[in-house]
This record gives sequence, structure tokens and C-alpha cells, in this order.
Amino acid sequence: DTAVSQTPKYLVTQMGNDKSIKCEQNLGHDTMYWYKQDSKKFLKIMFSYNNKELIINETVPNRFSPKSPDKAHLNLHINSLELGDSAVYFCASSQARGTDTQYFGPGTRLTVL
Amino acid sequence: SQKIEQNSEALNIQEGKTATLTCNYTNYSPAYLQWYRQDPGRGPVFLLLIRENEKEKRKERLKVTFDTTLKQSLFHITASQPADSATYLCALWASGYSTLTFGKGTMLLVSP
Repeated sequence: DTAVSQTPKYLVTQMGNDKSIKCEQNLGHDTMYWYKQDSKKFLKIMFSYNNKELIINETVPNRFSPKSPDKAHLNLHINSLELGDSAVYFCASSQARGTDTQYFGPGTRLTVL
Repeated sequence: SQKIEQNSEALNIQEGKTATLTCNYTNYSPAYLQWYRQDPGRGPVFLLLIRENEKEKRKERLKVTFDTTLKQSLFHITASQPADSATYLCALWASGYSTLTFGKGTMLLVSP
């Protein structure tokens, strides 16, 4: 059973389009995250949700909007895609904030043409 | 400004040797530090966690040290194998911050 899953694995789209990435965890964790890993492999936090509530919103353009319909899901919607949005996006979850191990999904490689 | 630095160059070692990876940080007071492994095309996988009051942690062939005076963590893989080839990321959770901050990672290549 996959602990943290993301769909799609690859996403190729044109500039200006709107797209969504879905994430689900079956670990019963309270906290979920979205990270962006750019071409230089730097992994940077974007958002964190705890029990469906947004607790971290790093400096991210407001074209990015996370949505958590329930504790097990955290989706990422991106409006008006730009070339610079091309990256790998990882979803992760942890039992709680702070000291807990984070479990990562397989990543979604987004390419904006 | 806060920084987490890992060896920027890839580390090439021969099978059977001990690999040592470095994680240095500045302007942080980490409560704990974690190490993750990332294979190409996959998400990071947790390996070890060490807290600020711990000097050393071991798990099978892995050993992590944490020196808060030097502001450094060392990650060792003993009797390295080609299957250990991957990128290793350090991440720290600092007091006053609400996120886990990752370094850029060091690529380890173990040749047979």
C-alpha cells in the first residue's frame, strides 16, 4: 500500500493554463505539506496543513492555492502557470508538526512550455 | 541570514569504504536534525533523527553525529555499497521556526 500518493506523476502544460495536483495519505497523519524542488534540487516548503487548517504559507505566489477537503487529502491548484513553475512538487505528511518524520510522495514533475 | 550547507560536489568512494557527508548550518538553533535519502525520480525517505542534546545516533551501517558548538552534523555510512548511491539531504527544525528546512543535498556515488 502506498503511504503518500500523488497524481499525476508527470504534468506537461502550456503557459497560462490552470492545473491541479492531488495528494492523499493513508497513514492517519494530522499534518500535510507541499514542497517544491527546483532544477538545482533545492527542496523548499510551500504550504503546511494541520487537521485541514493552513498553518504555514511560505512566500509563494497567490496563483498557488492549496485545498484540504479532509485530513487525508491536500491538493494544490495552480492558476496561470508560468515557465518558472516548472519543478518537481512533493507532497508529504507527518503525524504532527515539529519533531516528526515526514513521509514524502513520489513527486509530480510539472513542465510548463 | 540562516544557511544550511552540504558538500556541493558529489562524493565518490569505493565499495567497502566509509562515506562521510557533512551538514553545516549558521544562524540556527536547531532542536533536532534529520537525514533523508533521495533516489532519482523519487521522494526523500527518512533515515535518522538526532536531537540537540544527543551527540551520536546509529542505525545499522548508518551513524549521525551532531555538534552544536561546531554547528555541524556528520553522516557516516560504513561498509558502503553501490546500492547506497543516492542524494542525502539534511534537514533541521529550529526553535522559533515552524518548518523543517532542507539543505541542497550531497550526491554519493559508490563504485564497485
